[in-house]
Amino acid sequence: GAVVSQHPSRVICKSGTSVKIECRSLDFQATTMFWYRQFPKQSLMLMATSNEGSKATYEQGVEKDKFLINHASLTLSTLTVTSAHPEDSSFYICSARDRLDPYEQYFGPGTRLTVT
Amino acid sequence: GNSVTQMEGPVTLSEEAFLTINCTYTATGYPSLFWYVQYPGEGLQLLLKATKADDKGSNKGFEATYRKETTSFHLEKGSVQVSDSAVYFCALSDRGGKLIFGQGTELSVKP
Repeated sequence: GAVVSQHPSRVICKSGTSVKIECRSLDFQATTMFWYRQFPKQSLMLMATSNEGSKATYEQGVEKDKFLINHASLTLSTLTVTSAHPEDSSFYICSARDRLDPYEQYFGPGTRLTVT
Repeated sequence: GNSVTQMEGPVTLSEEAFLTINCTYTATGYPSLFWYVQYPGEGLQLLLKATKADDKGSNKGFEATYRKETTSFHLEKGSVQVSDSAVYFCALSDRGGKLIFGQGTELSVKP
């Protein structure tokens, strides 16, 4: 089956620093990847849609200058949390859509970010 | 706009009990419907899906039928196991391919 990986799985950083999270589709090409944020015991909130080779589309209320998304290739998208603050602590999950099967998304295992 | 509403949890059942988790949706057009499962500390896994009215999705003993007339996609399992303990999310996919999730229902199965 289609596999999506995320790295790192957990990261702790100090307030004011930047953190990069990678999302990779391991055995398929993904023209579109999605980034979600999940608060404890809550649902997933879509942050942005990332299309290979073009700028990401951010959902309303998501700061594009704070959450930088780059989709440099058909198998890699990155989310950089810039100048992180404790309120950015969350579980970040990416998903990827196989360009050959546009109706299904495959989810990564998530990255737990803790900002101290 | 499109939305998904799930029954609130947590749901606590004994092993081998029957499970129903209700899910209703509001959408324009004919969305695809999904159930995802999230085990503690992990990402989401697709459990089952249905892409058109009257389709039944099934996997690992779980079933859900796409009911257009009642705009529902209830999840059922005849006999739950402790290993089914997780959070279950109902979702729909809009025309743009975005997934819209319900709030999630936590299931706890006791031996």
